[in-house]
Amino acid sequence: NAGVTQTPKFQVLKTGQSMTLQCAQDMNHEYMSWYRQDPGMGLRLIHYSVGAGITDQGEVPNGYNVSRSTTEDFPLRLLLAAPSQTSVYFCASRGGLGGEQYFGPGTRLTVT
Amino acid sequence: AQSVTQPDIHITVSEGASLELRCNYSYGATPYLFWYVQSPGQGLQLLLKYFSGDTLVQGIKGFEAEFKRSQSSFNLRKPSVHWSDAAEYFCAVGGHNAGNMLTFGGGTRLMVKP
Repeated sequence: NAGVTQTPKFQVLKTGQSMTLQCAQDMNHEYMSWYRQDPGMGLRLIHYSVGAGITDQGEVPNGYNVSRSTTEDFPLRLLLAAPSQTSVYFCASRGGLGGEQYFGPGTRLTVT
Repeated sequence: AQSVTQPDIHITVSEGASLELRCNYSYGATPYLFWYVQSPGQGLQLLLKYFSGDTLVQGIKGFEAEFKRSQSSFNLRKPSVHWSDAAEYFCAVGGHNAGNMLTFGGGTRLMVKP
């Protein structure tokens, strides 16, 4: 049982490039979400999903896309990377209403 | 909309001293409340959570928190801090709806003096 896994751990992009951050969980959780963490701002919700085929926007969705084709995977796509997207990204999953939320180890992204 | 405020950005305490980290939330109904800890360069680890029932909840590493509905607070406490407790602490609030994800406070960085 690996929990929530994220790849890569570190990434450097140039402005305008695109990439996909991978997230997978093996706990059969319905709910998955992506957060970004910036100094002094805590974690802010980017996108989330309440089940396969269902996604919705969080607090800071601009510049990001998600899809949920399977229960296990919830990739986050950066379409045209910008320096403002330099951040640490966390994927999380939880099993149901009020369930404990489990976090992945994070991806540190730098956009130059 | 739900929100969380952690009024203290930094706190420094001496090893062995008691600790209280403040958390105030805004939510229209009874919330789910959480405290997470993050060591430098690491992910988030759940310390404790409040769902319902007893308003004083015990967590890991000797931490506890008390839910006070009248004050919209969920402060984290520890009677005696250890140097290994130095980290950043996040309070979070969640709701009872399917689409209700966690909202986090800005965090409190704890430093421990020897």
